[in-house]
Amino acid sequence: QQPVQSPQAVILREGEDAVINCSSSKALYSVHWYRQKHGEAPVFLMILLKGGEQKGHDKISASFNEKKQQSSLYLTASQLSYSGTYFCGTEGTTDKLIFGTGTRLQVFP
Amino acid sequence: SQTIHQWPATLVQPVGSPLSLECTVEGTSNPNLYWYRQAAGRGLQLLFYSVGIGQISSEVPQNLSASRPQDRQFILSSKKLLLSDSGFYLCAWSNRLNSPLHFGNGTRLTVT
Repeated sequence: QQPVQSPQAVILREGEDAVINCSSSKALYSVHWYRQKHGEAPVFLMILLKGGEQKGHDKISASFNEKKQQSSLYLTASQLSYSGTYFCGTEGTTDKLIFGTGTRLQVFP
Repeated sequence: SQTIHQWPATLVQPVGSPLSLECTVEGTSNPNLYWYRQAAGRGLQLLFYSVGIGQISSEVPQNLSASRPQDRQFILSSKKLLLSDSGFYLCAWSNRLNSPLHFGNGTRLTVT
């Protein structure tokens, strides 16, 4: 079952904040976040493990609530380089990673 | 350090022709290996994954197949391509469960 992301698209001005949500109907053991620039392969941002943890990397952070089977990615003070499509990926008890529906983020000057 | 090689970068093939895409990983042992496909403007669809030599799990029934003849080699094949096989094919590796996926640069396949 593919995780559902919301919103589908976000348009920001530089310096604005955004939140991307990822929701699954299945029990999760971990959530990954990736960013893909147009025409390129996805790049790993962070992984959150079961335990309700939060992580941060520069001005990008994420939270994971395994009880609600949800994760959120927080982008603070967005930069032009943040533009791209963001995918969450979820793992259950197997080694396969299923990606979400994707959220397209555009940051303008 | 670990690297992943995927080739070719682009490919144009006629309908009904065979396909072979190869992916190799260096600098790690016994990785999990994955093939994903991305249709234009769409998400990442898991096609196959492998946790060891000769162990292939298929996620989507279709006219594609995968093989892992060596520990760090993953091959995606088709005997007869369909128009719907067009897309961006991505190979990836990880170190077991709950580890980041590292992607190759991808192969852009156009079936004409």
